[in-house]
Amino acid sequence: GAGVSQSPSNKVTEKGKDVELRCDPISGHTALYWYRQSLGQGLEFLIYFQGNSAPDKSGLPSDRFSAERTGGSVSTLTIQRTQQEDSAVYLCASSLGQGRGNQPQHFGDGTRLSIL
Amino acid sequence: AQKITQTQPGMFVQEKEAVTLDCTYDTSDQSYGLFWYKQPSSGEMIFLIYQGSYDEQNATEGRYSLNFQKARKSANLVISASQLGDSAMYFCAMREGWGAQKLVFGQGTRLTINP
Repeated sequence: GAGVSQSPSNKVTEKGKDVELRCDPISGHTALYWYRQSLGQGLEFLIYFQGNSAPDKSGLPSDRFSAERTGGSVSTLTIQRTQQEDSAVYLCASSLGQGRGNQPQHFGDGTRLSIL
Repeated sequence: AQKITQTQPGMFVQEKEAVTLDCTYDTSDQSYGLFWYKQPSSGEMIFLIYQGSYDEQNATEGRYSLNFQKARKSANLVISASQLGDSAMYFCAMREGWGAQKLVFGQGTRLTINP
């Protein structure tokens, strides 16, 4: 079956512009996560959606970052007024969800964001 | 304080040798899970193995096994009979609490397998 799909795979934009990154999770996965990976670094949690519950936004670095998940499926991460420090690979993951703590998160190939 | 510590930034191993990648963790939760992921140079994150805090046996998946020492809060990944294709970054990650929760990742270990 299809894995986690992210688009675009690469995005280059000018400082100050807004960007939208899309994630389509594995069918049937109720949990969806966004992470950020800066050059040579580990992954940093951004936000987590579980079913219809309020998202865990505790990892969002500033109010320029927001995310939504429509219909319990596709998610969009939006970064407003981009800064150069936002340059990173943005990874989306999905998993089976609540009560399935032993199930791994499956990752997409990421969106490489470069801010000029 | 770091939740996940991987003390080996880089490791070099001869093909066919076994290799141990270290991971120590810090949590006050009784219920938690530990995951290892592989990230080749192509960038995708590949799930390797999982160990739950209540699991009595060390997890194994093919050539991968997890040396879980709960009292020491360590969860080292052991790769037996290493192959050239094992060259990659390896990340240890922890989920605190039960259920689907965010993962906290270590900084990773870059493993290079030499022929």
